[in-house]
Amino acid sequence: RKEVEQDPGPFNVPEGATVAFNCTYSNSASQSFFWYRQDCRKEPKLLMSVYSSGNEDGRFTAQLNRASQYISLLIRDSKLSDSATYLCVVKGYSSASKIIFGSGTRLSIRP
Amino acid sequence: NAGVTQTPKFQVLKTGQSMTLQCAQDMNHNSMYWYRQDPGMGLRLIYYSASEGTTDKGEVPNGYNVSRLNKREFSLRLESAAPSQTSVYFCASSPVALSDSGELFFGEGSRLTVL
Repeated sequence: RKEVEQDPGPFNVPEGATVAFNCTYSNSASQSFFWYRQDCRKEPKLLMSVYSSGNEDGRFTAQLNRASQYISLLIRDSKLSDSATYLCVVKGYSSASKIIFGSGTRLSIRP
Repeated sequence: NAGVTQTPKFQVLKTGQSMTLQCAQDMNHNSMYWYRQDPGMGLRLIYYSASEGTTDKGEVPNGYNVSRLNKREFSLRLESAAPSQTSVYFCASSPVALSDSGELFFGEGSRLTVL
């Protein structure tokens, strides 16, 4: 079993729709959680951190469920520019080797 | 703003050849990292340098060596390239050794093909 698992998609949704995807992690000792965005053939960039109480940044909402060991990302009123691959990132202890990237969920927004 | 700069962006090698990927950052970050990204595998850490003068192995270090030349530069060397090293390589940096901010700043990537 992978340490961080994501549905690879693609999720193909119309502009304006709400879309959500989850990421599960296997290590219950994981401490910090993040969503990165990666455009096609580009580098990953931090989208948002995920806090225990859940957090929102504009149209994006991230949530953490420690009991079930998953994090989620909700995108409301999706835009064409939201088309990208979304990477779930889980951080264990302070060592860099404990940062695990999921393989990503591909999202495609159609007009 | 340059950020993290990697060279070369594309490279084709024959099996057994050697090459060095160069990475430089101009953000005065302490920590630097090399990742590889393969389809369906996510980014995997090859080596990292928490601070100038230190380097440590990541998840997939075999076949690679690194040098933290100074605070700005962190190079990745393939001594004898193998087809299994065909991948996209990303250099990244962070202000400190991966604090809770979790933010890594990535270069644009280097696409390496080994024939």
